[in-house]
Amino acid sequence: DAGVTQSPTHLIKTRGQHVTLRCSPISGHKSVSWYQQVLGQGPQFIFQYYEKEERGRGNFPDRFSARQFPNYSSELNVNALLLGDSALYLCASSLETQTYEQYFGPGTRLTVT
Amino acid sequence: AQSVTQLGSHVSVSEGALVLLRCNYSSSVPPYLFWYVQYPNQGLQLLLKYTSAATLVKGINGFEAEFKKSETSFHLTKPSAHMSDAAEYFCAVSGPVDNQFYFGTGTSLTVIP
Repeated sequence: DAGVTQSPTHLIKTRGQHVTLRCSPISGHKSVSWYQQVLGQGPQFIFQYYEKEERGRGNFPDRFSARQFPNYSSELNVNALLLGDSALYLCASSLETQTYEQYFGPGTRLTVT
Repeated sequence: AQSVTQLGSHVSVSEGALVLLRCNYSSSVPPYLFWYVQYPNQGLQLLLKYTSAATLVKGINGFEAEFKKSETSFHLTKPSAHMSDAAEYFCAVSGPVDNQFYFGTGTSLTVIP
């Protein structure tokens, strides 16, 4: 079975631009979570979605938004990019809202210049 | 809020020596605890998890961890280090009430031949 997939792998954007990152969960998993991992730090929770509804939100500004589609794939959108948004963005999927069985994708490396 | 502290951002061991990576958690109720490994330019791979069953948890690649409530610790050990164990290791806490994952800042393990 395919694991969690994310696209694109790498992305370079300019300050002020908008970016969309995509995630496809493991087949049968209904919950998707997004994390931001700044270089040298642990992942920070951004969002959790389950059955297309937001179930959790971390301490991130409103420039960050996400949605989940009927096929359980998800998009993370970031508006008005700042240099500090440069990071590895990780997506994780789990069967239900309980995240103790979550599996991570390889991530999208975003560089903001 | 829950949190984890990983003592030692860098640990070096000789090949064949004991690996000990430290993690202490802060939680008002017994949490779920996890260890993840991250290889360069990759996502996170689950090594093992504690979800209130046996306090000694065995994971993949010969790793194990022991949940000690009295010490609020969940240290990761491996009896004999291999070169392939060189990676970044993250401890994380979640649940049972809060579904969010809270990661530590990570420990970089170097294995010296």
